[in-house]
Order: sequence, then C-alpha cells, then structure tokens
Amino acid sequence: QVQLQESGPGLVKPSQTLSLTCTVSDGSINSGTYYWNWIRQPAGKGLEWIGRIYTSGSTNYNPSLKNRVTMSVDTSKNQFSLRLNSVTAADTAVYYCAREVGLAAVRWFDPWGQGTLVTVSS
Amino acid sequence: SYVLTQPPSMSVAPGQTARITCGGNNIGAKSVQWYQQKPGQAPVLVVYDDGDRPSGTLERFSGFTFGSTATLTVSRVEAGDEAVYSCQVWDTSSDHPVVFGGGTKLTVL
Repeated sequence: QVQLQESGPGLVKPSQTLSLTCTVSDGSINSGTYYWNWIRQPAGKGLEWIGRIYTSGSTNYNPSLKNRVTMSVDTSKNQFSLRLNSVTAADTAVYYCAREVGLAAVRWFDPWGQGTLVTVSS
Repeated sequence: SYVLTQPPSMSVAPGQTARITCGGNNIGAKSVQWYQQKPGQAPVLVVYDDGDRPSGTLERFSGFTFGSTATLTVSRVEAGDEAVYSCQVWDTSSDHPVVFGGGTKLTVL
C-alpha cells in the first residue's frame, strides 16, 4: 500500500519561504490517475486545503493562498513539493500531503502522510 | 464558497450510538467523505461517497446523506473511537473545490 512522508524545515522565519517535499513509497507517483495534495491544520483548528498537482504538472490552488503557493512534481524521485512564500505566523500549522482518489465530483483523500509541523517564528 | 458546519463537540457513553452531523446547502447532492483523526495523528478516511467504507473501516461506522445534512453514525461506541471527525465534500462549482467541515470532537464518557 502506498505511503506518503513529508519532509522539510520545521522552523521558518517570517517573510521567508516554506518548502516541503512529500515522498511517495511502495508505489509509483505515476500509477493511476491521481492528484497529489497538500493540506494543513493549525493547532486546534480544522483542515485547510492548500492545493493539488497532477503528474503532468497541472495544478489547482486554494484561491486564498494562490498568490503565494507553488507546487511541483518530480516523477523520477517519486516526490512532489510545496513552496509557500512570504510566510507569517498565520502559516504555522501541521502540513499534510495526501493522495486524492476518485472520479468527477466523488473524490477523497487516502492515504495521508503523517504530517510535519512548520512553525513560523523569528 | 461552500460551507460545511459541524458541532464542535459531542459526548457519548460506551456502547451507545454517536451521530455526528455535517450541514451544508443541499449537501444531499454532493458526495460526502468522513475522516477520523486521533490526537497527534493524521486523518484517516472512514467513509467515502456518503456511505461506503474503505477496507479496514469497521462496520460500526456508517454514513448517510439527505437534504442539507450528512450524518456519520458510530454504533456501539468504544473508548478507541474518541477522536475528531471531519466531513469533506468536493464542490465542482467553485475554484475552491475541496471543502472540510470544522471537525467534531467525539468524547467517550
């Protein structure tokens, strides 16, 4: 069964760029027609969708973050990545990567990575 | 954008039935997913497409959607069911297609 694992710095300074990578194991990122997503969760709050990428490089982003987000995919490494620039304390959260499964308007996330806490602080 | 509303918390005694609701405008026309999240862990899918269970989800977990409300029912609740449960839909009419509810903390008394 495919597994996902996030990696990246746990501390980012305000105004700098948050960069995370999700490594897909026990399966190819190219297999099937999946989108690969980033989702975050501030402490004690609900889940917020950041965006998704297809292996072709096609992306969709949350409009509220669109101006600051860039996602990329490296199929040779079985990885996809997130960059969020100009971060503030409001971007402090646990960041999850997840595979999007389904068809048309019936879509869900399974599996998820274990999550990585990113703190924005000087 | 589309909004999903969940009660922040609820409590139930062991062996009883928990019904966790998720409200949204005409949610009955959408496909609803439910995730279970235990403290310090990632969310885990427990119900997809309103009422289907992925392999590994116990039969005690069931989902139903009608009108403006989706409901996740947990039968014969156990201490291990204590978690936050979040609903999710895909809003095809929006440029913000993924919508999550705020989550409901289920406490087992």
